[in-house]
Amino acid sequence: KQEVTQIPAALSVPEGENLVLNCSFTDSAIYNLQWFRQDPGKGLTSLLLIQSSQREQTSGRLNASLDKSSGRSTLYIAASQPGDSATYLCAVLNDYKLSFGAGTTVTVRA
Amino acid sequence: EAQVTQNPRYLITVTGKKLTVTCSQNMNHEYMSWYRQDPGLGLRQIYYSMNVEVTDKGDVPEGYKVSRKEKRNFPLILESPSPNQTSLYFCASSFGPRDEFYFGAGTRLSVL
Repeated sequence: KQEVTQIPAALSVPEGENLVLNCSFTDSAIYNLQWFRQDPGKGLTSLLLIQSSQREQTSGRLNASLDKSSGRSTLYIAASQPGDSATYLCAVLNDYKLSFGAGTTVTVRA
Repeated sequence: EAQVTQNPRYLITVTGKKLTVTCSQNMNHEYMSWYRQDPGLGLRQIYYSMNVEVTDKGDVPEGYKVSRKEKRNFPLILESPSPNQTSLYFCASSFGPRDEFYFGAGTRLSVL
C-alpha cells in the first residue's frame, strides 16, 4: 500500500523567503506525481505534474523535482508572497488512483 | 472554461435520507473518480470509473454507490447516509488514469 509523507506539516516564513516542501513515498512504481494547492474550505488546484520519466518540472516561481528511485519529491517556491499561503499536497499516481500526503500548511508573513 | 462541477457545494441531511452528489466535467475526460477528505486521514479514493459503464471500488467504497451512464457525469449516491459519512467530497477527472487530475470545488456534507 502506497504511503505518502510530507514534511514539515507546517511552515511559517517571512515574505520573500524561498520555500522548500518535501514529499516521500514508499512504492516507487508510480506513473506520475502531482503537487496541488488547497485553500481553506476550497478545492484542489493542480500546480505541477511530473511524469515518472522526468526529473523536474517548472512553472513560474515553482519548481518540483522527482527522484523516483529514492521515493522523493521536493517543491521549491521562490520569493514567497502572502498569496502563497495555503496547504500544499503531494500526490502519487499508481493503481489507477492518487495517494495523497497529509499536506504542508504554509503561512507567508507580510 | 474547462472545469469539474460538483453540486451541491454544501449539504446538511439526516441519517437514512438518500442523497446524490452530482459531478460533471466538460473536458471529454474518460477517467473520473470520487475522494473524501477527513482531518487526520487525508484524501481517500471512494470509487473510480475508467469509462462509460465501467466503475470500480477505491479504498473506502462502503456506503456509497456510483454510476457512469454518460461520459461527462459521475454521480455519487448515498442511499442511507450515516454520521460517519460527514466529510468533504471531491470529484476528479482526467483524460486517462495516468494523466493529470482535475478536481472539483468540493461538496461539504454533514449527516446528522
